[in-house]
Amino acid sequence: GAVVSQHPSRVICKSGTSVKIECRSLDFQATTMFWYRQFPKQSLMLMATSNEGSKATYEQGVEKDKFLINHASLTLSTLTVTSAHPEDSSFYICSVTARTGGSPLHFGNGTRLTVT
Amino acid sequence: AQSVTQPDIHITVSEGASLELRCNYSYGATPYLFWYVQSPGQGLQLLLKYFSGDTLVQGIKGFEAEFKRSQSSFNLRKPSVHWSDAAEYFCAVGTLNSGYALNFGKGTSLLVTP
Repeated sequence: GAVVSQHPSRVICKSGTSVKIECRSLDFQATTMFWYRQFPKQSLMLMATSNEGSKATYEQGVEKDKFLINHASLTLSTLTVTSAHPEDSSFYICSVTARTGGSPLHFGNGTRLTVT
Repeated sequence: AQSVTQPDIHITVSEGASLELRCNYSYGATPYLFWYVQSPGQGLQLLLKYFSGDTLVQGIKGFEAEFKRSQSSFNLRKPSVHWSDAAEYFCAVGTLNSGYALNFGKGTSLLVTP
């Protein structure tokens, strides 16, 4: 079964509003969580790296004030797209590294964000 | 600079034919290598991965890949393609230093014809 739960799977919001996306590891404690963005017909691009209890590390070109990442516990990281605009419409997907054992990397099923 | 290249944007094969999807990388450190498949509107499914050891890796759905350090390649193969294999395929590379943050290739779109 799924080891990473990402919610919601789809969301439509109006321009100017904020949207929160959750990424939960279900069976293990996550050392690190990564957030990726995928524009239509393009590849996945790393946005930020999130470590529990510390500030996220953002990739070059990603606005940290627009894409707020909170990793408050070992099983949950959230990505909030603030003041969303149509150009933020994309597929957002998280991945999780396990603290111990098994395969070290798991992906969520992604969130399709559409900003109207 | 670190990079991952999938030279083929689109590939079309007949059902039952063999398949090879190419992936080349340029990394200074020893890479961890992955192949993922993505169906339209869906998330990623891991097909296989290479961390160390045997350079021929077996994955799910009958896929395999071979790590060739001398060629900086990690090509994905399947001896007989099924119509359900039509999807987008991504090669991804990470390193121990990156903590499993992955650098993805641009993807190869596979079309399977009857």
